[in-house]
Amino acid sequence: SSELTQAPAVSVDLGQTVRITCQGDSLRSYYATWYQQKPGQAPILVIYGNNIRPSGIPDRFSASSSGSTASLTITGAQAEDEADYYCNSRDTGTSRWLFGGGTKVTVL
Amino acid sequence: QLVESGGTFVQPGGSLRLSCAASGFTFKSFDMNWVRQAPGKGLEWVSHIGRSGSTIYYADSVRGRFTISRDNAKNSLHLQMSRLRAEDTAVYYCARESEYSDDSGYRDWYVDLWGRGTLVAVSS
Repeated sequence: SSELTQAPAVSVDLGQTVRITCQGDSLRSYYATWYQQKPGQAPILVIYGNNIRPSGIPDRFSASSSGSTASLTITGAQAEDEADYYCNSRDTGTSRWLFGGGTKVTVL
Repeated sequence: QLVESGGTFVQPGGSLRLSCAASGFTFKSFDMNWVRQAPGKGLEWVSHIGRSGSTIYYADSVRGRFTISRDNAKNSLHLQMSRLRAEDTAVYYCARESEYSDDSGYRDWYVDLWGRGTLVAVSS
């Protein structure tokens, strides 16, 4: 079955750039959607479609994709960006939704 | 906003009905989903229902045990859960789905609004 794969954790120095990747066959057909989740809170939408940020999401968040890999980049990471980040897409040829396992971002 | 309710402790094999109250938007105009998160784990999609309720999908892990439904007159979404297992223990989120399309004809869907979740704990 299809799946989305993310690295479990990544760290970044305050003010530096960090890239979170998500791999899966479905990403050849669909853009990845990205969510941020802080402890004890519901996820919030960070990026959808072709690198679109909802209102209120800082422009230091951006997304890109190539082949079966999607990436979320935080340029100039802030302390408040410390959270779990999940990628998501439709499963190709089915009506299922897939989620990556999540990447915990630590800002040092 | 979306507000879930109905989560509680239940024994294996038991049943439970979750509800989600929607407000602040035209509920009948949106497809809806349930997504769950086991303690300390990632997000897992559970079920989808179309705007009219006629299109329904389930994850393999819950198909045949869970039933999603909606009442557009009452702006509410439901998840009837039966034959519950320990592995169903999770926070269950109600999630609104929106559509994205661009000039190339590409169409996709994404969750743009999440509830705060309700905890279902299955244990003897």
